[in-house]
Amino acid sequence: DAGVIQSPRHEVTEMGQEVTLRCKPISGHDYLFWYRQTMMRGLELLIYFNNNVPIDDSGMPEDRFSAKMPNASFSTLKIQPSEPRDSAVYFCASSDRGLQYFGPGTRLTVL
Amino acid sequence: DAKTTQPNSMESNEEEPVHLPCNHSTISGTDYIHWYRQLPSQGPEYVIHGLTSNVNNRMASLAIAEDRKSSTLILHRATLRDAAVYYCILRDGLGSQGNLIFGKGTKLSVKP
Repeated sequence: DAGVIQSPRHEVTEMGQEVTLRCKPISGHDYLFWYRQTMMRGLELLIYFNNNVPIDDSGMPEDRFSAKMPNASFSTLKIQPSEPRDSAVYFCASSDRGLQYFGPGTRLTVL
Repeated sequence: DAKTTQPNSMESNEEEPVHLPCNHSTISGTDYIHWYRQLPSQGPEYVIHGLTSNVNNRMASLAIAEDRKSSTLILHRATLRDAAVYYCILRDGLGSQGNLIFGKGTKLSVKP
């Protein structure tokens, strides 16, 4: 298996633009997580899904953030409109028997 | 999830053993001790986990105190590639599928 795949790896955008981050989990994993990492706040959970259903979205900062998982092999995290304070590395992870496997992350810069 | 305490940073010499401590005085009977690490510019990766007994795998060993209030991750021969931030995390039950709560971890530097 190729592991968790995220795209794009880097994204630079201007304030106010829509940003979509993509994730393909490991086949057979039924949990998917979105995390955000910044120097100030470290790694923090945004949302996670079980069998494509959102279970806990309490970490989503505000209504500008939304996440979907239309099927078992794909998820998106959308920010609309983006703001400079959204600049961070966003990680997707999938889980098998309690062990999480992380993707390489998307480094987002909002100018 | 119960809280863990780790030193902010540690240094090691290459090819020497490294002992990374973690205190978890409020651990409950069903909490598993998990270790993840994050190499520079990469996502976190699973290292090892255990409940009561010491555990070994190809990456590391986990030594758990008899009272389970502390544990130590042991890298038997540190390499430059082991330079990373190491996170000690408590999870309630092996089947717990909720999110991982990451603290600040221990930043390990390895000197050649």
